[in-house]
Amino acid sequence: AQSVTQLGSHVSVSEGALVLLRCNYSSSVPPYLFWYVQYPNQGLQLLLKYTTGATLVKGINGFEAEFKKSETSFHLTKPSAHMSDAAEYFCAVSVSGANSKLTFGKGITLSVRP
Amino acid sequence: DSGVTQTPKHLITATGQRVTLRCSPRSGDLSVYWYQQSLDQGLQFLIQYYNGEERAKGNILERFSAQQFPDLHSELNLSSLELGDSALYFCASSVGTGGPRGGELFFGEGSRLTVL
Repeated sequence: AQSVTQLGSHVSVSEGALVLLRCNYSSSVPPYLFWYVQYPNQGLQLLLKYTTGATLVKGINGFEAEFKKSETSFHLTKPSAHMSDAAEYFCAVSVSGANSKLTFGKGITLSVRP
Repeated sequence: DSGVTQTPKHLITATGQRVTLRCSPRSGDLSVYWYQQSLDQGLQFLIQYYNGEERAKGNILERFSAQQFPDLHSELNLSSLELGDSALYFCASSVGTGGPRGGELFFGEGSRLTVL
């Protein structure tokens, strides 16, 4: 079965600073990887996804993530944090197959300091 | 707006009671998922339906049950409620199940259940 690990539960950055949220996955077959964001009092929404092809994927709001098979990682980055980026971020993995389900990490809360 | 509609948005009830949460998936989506989110447990997968049939089961208690109807809307029934059942319950939908499209979930805004 596949899984994702998001180390730590909270990251705090200053406005304008680099955002780096780490995600490592485990899968015996090629994975599909996702980042979801949850703003306060809202449901989760898809930020970006990696399926096949280009390993650097760009998402909404200036976020991007790079799939690194050798490191089994899919870290999320944004060059310059904005106050509106404060939210909870979830990494998730699925694989091919009709019975495959999406597996979420525990999530990490991003705080942005003025 | 994700296109997924959940009702009610807020619900306050007493221990021992039973409630039903309703979800209308995005138009065209055949898969419906239910998740529970609480401060201590985080986001927990409960159950998934695909085109009316149960497809996957997660950490769903025996006191909880769900179904997906022919019109594809889904209901989550929670019975014999306990204080610990207080949480945000999310419904999500997707086009299919598994793979890249199956992993692209659209979430509703959730139903916040408070058990007193």
